[in-house]
Amino acid sequence: QQQVKQSPQSLIVQKGGIPIINCAYENTAFDYFPWYQQFPGKGPALLIAIRPDVSEKKEGRFTISFNKSAKQFSLHIMDSQPGDSATYFCAADIQGAQKLVFGQGTRLTINP
Amino acid sequence: NAGVTQTPKFRILKIGQSMTLQCTQDMNHNYMYWYRQDPGMGLKLIYYSVGAGITDKGEVPNGYNVSRSTTEDFPLRLELAAPSQTSVYFCASNRLRQNTEAFFGQGTRLTVV
Repeated sequence: QQQVKQSPQSLIVQKGGIPIINCAYENTAFDYFPWYQQFPGKGPALLIAIRPDVSEKKEGRFTISFNKSAKQFSLHIMDSQPGDSATYFCAADIQGAQKLVFGQGTRLTINP
Repeated sequence: NAGVTQTPKFRILKIGQSMTLQCTQDMNHNYMYWYRQDPGMGLKLIYYSVGAGITDKGEVPNGYNVSRSTTEDFPLRLELAAPSQTSVYFCASNRLRQNTEAFFGQGTRLTVV
């Protein structure tokens, strides 16, 4: 019940395309859903996060869509660029618990 | 702006050896964490600490130990290294009790042979 399932494991998109990465969870106590971006040889860094009181959040070219009833959330990258090539992790946490549960990760490649 | 600093960056251990992975943060964060990252498995929480003198187990604590004698430092100890501990280890810190950004170090790549 503490798991967060992420798909796909890898994704290749042409420059300008819109990659979509999906995550699903079971624990309805989760109330914080961040996405982390990781470049090779680096630690993950927070990209964007959402709470379940909204269905969508945009920051620049990155959008999180959240479906509370389906217990799913996804990351969309508009006008993707080769510099967006990285591994993306979704995660979930419970208010005050401060123990992120991570998805398995998606290796995204944006071809020029 | 050092943030979270991990040492060493790479290490090869022989089976049965021990070592300590060092982690220090200069942001005065109360919360600190150790994760391991295995291919296709995401990040798994090993241990965490909510402040100096307080530590607790995460999802995969077996084979590891931690201590938190200061706010800044959170070392991870591996006793009797095993091949299953081959992984990339990340230390992270977080400022507040409410969900906020976790800051990660650059990782330590450990190989046990």
